[in-house]
Amino acid sequence: GAGVSQSPRYKVAKRGQDVALRCDPISGHVSLFWYQQALGQGPEFLTYFQNEAQLDKSGLPSDRFFAERPEGSVSTLKIQRTQQEDSAVYLCASSRDWMNTGELFFGEGSRLTVL
Amino acid sequence: AQSVTQLGSHVSVSEGALVLLRCNYSSSVPPYLFWYVQYPNQGLQLLLKYTSAATLVKGINGFEAEFKKSETSFHLTKPSAHMSDAAEYFCAVTGTASKLTFGTGTRLQVTL
Repeated sequence: GAGVSQSPRYKVAKRGQDVALRCDPISGHVSLFWYQQALGQGPEFLTYFQNEAQLDKSGLPSDRFFAERPEGSVSTLKIQRTQQEDSAVYLCASSRDWMNTGELFFGEGSRLTVL
Repeated sequence: AQSVTQLGSHVSVSEGALVLLRCNYSSSVPPYLFWYVQYPNQGLQLLLKYTSAATLVKGINGFEAEFKKSETSFHLTKPSAHMSDAAEYFCAVTGTASKLTFGTGTRLQVTL
């Protein structure tokens, strides 16, 4: 597709359930980022991939959060044993040449609600 | 470390009036600075960026921003607001290759 695609757009989970959020970046984009946006807040950095290598995961809030990008394209953000504080919009962004252009293209996000 | 502070979580202007959204940054290295816009239920869209070239940066939809190192500011302006400008605006900074740090956002309301 032409843009960054995220699925599902909306996810409701019961506390304690595991969830998986998918991101399809723009074709050819080597850099991929995950952000968490709580209601009324700005996006908060979670993790960053360059191709399949996870170069920075300093923003992952706990060991319940795990991200992967095994073939350097599609990425999955997994949250184990979800808690109510995990409720947020999870944004994925990609870039062809992040280090030189600094330009990210964002998907529409996956809204997670934990009951 | 880098951070940005957006002054005013809500700004309301009349249609046709000047838009001024404030952003101050903190960075230990020369920063790259960005403004993004977010319409309801949509992803963030890049408005403009400063990457150490011209200090006055022009973006899409008639917006521009000026990098002022002495004031550590990167305020966003538009001479004449339009109803379609109503959205959430985020200032962001990066000084490293791996992380874009966002402000808390300013919601712009445009009234008739």
